[in-house]
Amino acid sequence: DAKTTQPTSMDCAEGRAANLPCNHSTISGNEYVYWYRQIHSQGPQYIIHGLKNNETNEMASLIITEDRKSSTLILPHATLRDTAVYYCILTGTASKLTFGTGTRLQVTL
Amino acid sequence: GAVVSQHPSWVICKSGTSVKIECRSLDFQATTMFWYRQFPKQSLMLMATSNEGSKATYEQGVEKDKFLINHASLTLSTLTVTSAHPEDSSFYICSARVRKETQYFGPGTRLLVL
Repeated sequence: DAKTTQPTSMDCAEGRAANLPCNHSTISGNEYVYWYRQIHSQGPQYIIHGLKNNETNEMASLIITEDRKSSTLILPHATLRDTAVYYCILTGTASKLTFGTGTRLQVTL
Repeated sequence: GAVVSQHPSWVICKSGTSVKIECRSLDFQATTMFWYRQFPKQSLMLMATSNEGSKATYEQGVEKDKFLINHASLTLSTLTVTSAHPEDSSFYICSARVRKETQYFGPGTRLLVL
């Protein structure tokens, strides 16, 4: 699986949108972009995934650039409960997930 | 939907004993289950992949005789840490997947070996 690059940490004020970037310049044509998050001492939680089109669900939006070399996860109205480590992972169909170090998002009052 | 449970949530055991951790998919049938390990302040590391009715595939460096995995049904996989030692103390997390779809993770089991 290709590698991803994410900032080590980010801060966001509660109620504001949190925009988490991910670079994946060596992504292959059949690889999906998956986002998970891990709140302290819990198992990872699935957020969203996409192939090339932008995606939105009840948790977040995923914006993938046209060349697919980068993406952004958007939490539209961050709350304190969104404080977590966010992982951007590339994986082919039925492939295993390889976790990097992720982005530690701290939501503050 | 897509709920995965683990039992126990935490366990303390003496060095040399074996510990079994259960992973269940509660509302779907998982064709594949995965076991991960996470040490403090580190990311998740995949230990093994198991398909129902088949032998598990272990990642490089993971001892298959020490970490026994059984995936006897489409809703249950177990990980047994045999002859546990303090260095096996970690956070063990399972995940489950239906065919080629999204992986869903359990809440994790914290193991402390004294």
